[in-house]
Amino acid sequence: SAVISQKPSRDICQRGTSLTIQCQVDSQVTMMFWYRQQPGQSLTLIATANQGSEATYESGFVIDKFPISRPNLTFSTLTVSNMSPEDSSIYLCSVWDRNYGYTFGSGTRLTVV
Amino acid sequence: QQQVKQSPQSLIVQKGGISIINCAYENTAFDYFPWYQQFPGKGPALLIAIRPDVSEKKEGRFTISFNKSAKQFSLHIMDSQPGDSATYFCAASKGGYQKVTFGTGTKLQVIP
Repeated sequence: SAVISQKPSRDICQRGTSLTIQCQVDSQVTMMFWYRQQPGQSLTLIATANQGSEATYESGFVIDKFPISRPNLTFSTLTVSNMSPEDSSIYLCSVWDRNYGYTFGSGTRLTVV
Repeated sequence: QQQVKQSPQSLIVQKGGISIINCAYENTAFDYFPWYQQFPGKGPALLIAIRPDVSEKKEGRFTISFNKSAKQFSLHIMDSQPGDSATYFCAASKGGYQKVTFGTGTKLQVIP
């Protein structure tokens, strides 16, 4: 399956600031996704990162708050903007491969203080 | 309805026992049903998946049972081991490559 490197693995940020999370895949993939997982909770899809075009956001998530870039088929970034304590969560990058299904990165554990 | 309902929320099983986790879905357009295993500090990892054209799929100690008419599917872990202690998520999607809807998760603890 694809190997995903996600950075940073964790961070503690001040409210009102922004954090950019990077997702690097070791092979070209068509579909890349960003998920949020609050501690002890399930995973919620934030958006689908589309290569060369704007990301597709799920209900409740907006581009101004979670801008996403995907400059090529192996890399994407998610920015959490103007953070508040409610944004404290684990953010996960995921890719889809027709042979292996979905693969997830190890996640970025974000704490906003 | 995009929801996938999962039960139980937590489960304690003796080593060597059978762990059973159940899921139910509403959307009949779903045609791909994976199960994920997640250890603390790690992302979910695909464990096993099934499509609705089969009623059961087995891989090692892990078996998915699928009941299309009842819109339910379950994960059975045979001969459960302490190393199986993790959180398990069922999920569903259309086409396999569409966005995945996750269940609420089951925290499994296998005690010696």
